[in-house]
Amino acid sequence: QVQLVQSGAEVKKPGASVKVSCKASGYIFISYEINWVRQAAGQGLEWMGWINPNSGDTGYAQKFQGRVTMTTDTSKSTAYMELSSLTSEDTAVYYCARGKVYCTTSNCHMMKWFDPWGQGSLVTVSS
Amino acid sequence: DIVMIQSPDSLAVSLGERATINCKSSQSVLYSSNNKNYLAWYQQKPGQPPKLLIYWASTRESGVPDRFRGSGSGTDFTLTISSLEAEDVAAYYCQQYYTNPTFGQGTRLQIK
Repeated sequence: QVQLVQSGAEVKKPGASVKVSCKASGYIFISYEINWVRQAAGQGLEWMGWINPNSGDTGYAQKFQGRVTMTTDTSKSTAYMELSSLTSEDTAVYYCARGKVYCTTSNCHMMKWFDPWGQGSLVTVSS
Repeated sequence: DIVMIQSPDSLAVSLGERATINCKSSQSVLYSSNNKNYLAWYQQKPGQPPKLLIYWASTRESGVPDRFRGSGSGTDFTLTISSLEAEDVAAYYCQQYYTNPTFGQGTRLQIK
């Protein structure tokens, strides 16, 4: 079955960087975009950006521009999200999620509704 | 960014009764060239990632019970659970994908 499995919890000090991994299985990795969404404790969902594993193209939410880097290793069917200059406000559960492909009679489009999601990776930023 | 506002923030409904959650976008998410609303709904249970329920505002994801129904167009959308079951206790989020994705703040659904 289609599955995304993320790396474990991390504790980081303010100013440090964190890199979260997301290993995909059960489908052709390069055929779907991977998105990253975070959720602070008791809060809502915040989209961070996307990466196309086939082209390497990325798109980041303006809030995270300059601080986030999304990459993939297609040989490992794994996506990575690195966030730098961490502050306490970055303490959250970080999810990877697969985008969808919508095909018409003429072509196919990458769409940003998400299924499935990884199990989440808790990142705690604390001095 | 398109702002998504859900109402109510929390909701308590008796088992077997109907639950209704509303979602309003700050601009239309209806794409005129294909007449589709770029809106999805998710269910999130405590300690779990979100689960896709509905996309294109009204298309149920495979395996989602038919008591879940999405409706609406343009800027106003509704998720209806026709007959509440205990397993439906969760937070529910709407999300637009017309532009860079944004989510509503969530609605917490409990049993009355």
